[in-house]
Amino acid sequence: QSVLTQPPSVSGAPGQRVTISCTGSSSNIGAGYHVHWYQQFPGAAPKLLIYGNSDRPSGVPDRFSASKSGTSASLAITGLQAEDEADYFCQSFDSSLSVSVIFGGGTKLTVL
Amino acid sequence: EVQLVQSGPEVKKPGESLKISCKGSGYSFASYWIAWVRQMPGKGLEWMGIIYPGDSDTRYSPSFQGQVTISADKSISTAYLQWSSLRASDSAMYYCAKHVGGGYTNSWVPYWGQGTLVTVSS
Repeated sequence: QSVLTQPPSVSGAPGQRVTISCTGSSSNIGAGYHVHWYQQFPGAAPKLLIYGNSDRPSGVPDRFSASKSGTSASLAITGLQAEDEADYFCQSFDSSLSVSVIFGGGTKLTVL
Repeated sequence: EVQLVQSGPEVKKPGESLKISCKGSGYSFASYWIAWVRQMPGKGLEWMGIIYPGDSDTRYSPSFQGQVTISADKSISTAYLQWSSLRASDSAMYYCAKHVGGGYTNSWVPYWGQGTLVTVSS
């Protein structure tokens, strides 16, 4: 059971907009720690998609955006493309007894 | 260009020891936290722990404390993940990951190693 909760799967048709939620608590996202997002294709290492809650590294299309509010964060993908089909993970930090960097359980995005 | 190059795949028996490596290049290795992340087959990412090579300050996730040892040799820009007695449940892909963004609490990972697949089977 991950400290950060993500839906196991989401899906959308090409061109549509999808969102992936990342729900935490007062000891991680709600405590003000930043949320970062990664994309991972099968057999490959994760790739940084969003850092610092909402910033995109160079090279990441502006179809990808993210936000944070309270104890949750979300990743939005607009203009869905077949190549976006991948696993997505959120990451933050938890200051409770388990002082640690933490990942969400991951969300499989299927492009219909 | 920043690169993290990990050692090759390993096949071990339960009870054996193992040390895998991650060599950094293209940046000041001693000045950035490096973490190890486990990914079991078909599962998500699990942050295991982190080391600051400059002074070997090491932190572990409670889930991995006492199960593995993280170390680094800044003279050769290499971080290590070590087991003294492997179990079948240690079979997984292990990634090293360079954190950026100041201290590691709000940091993120723009650079990942290619992964080292560890298989533990009798």
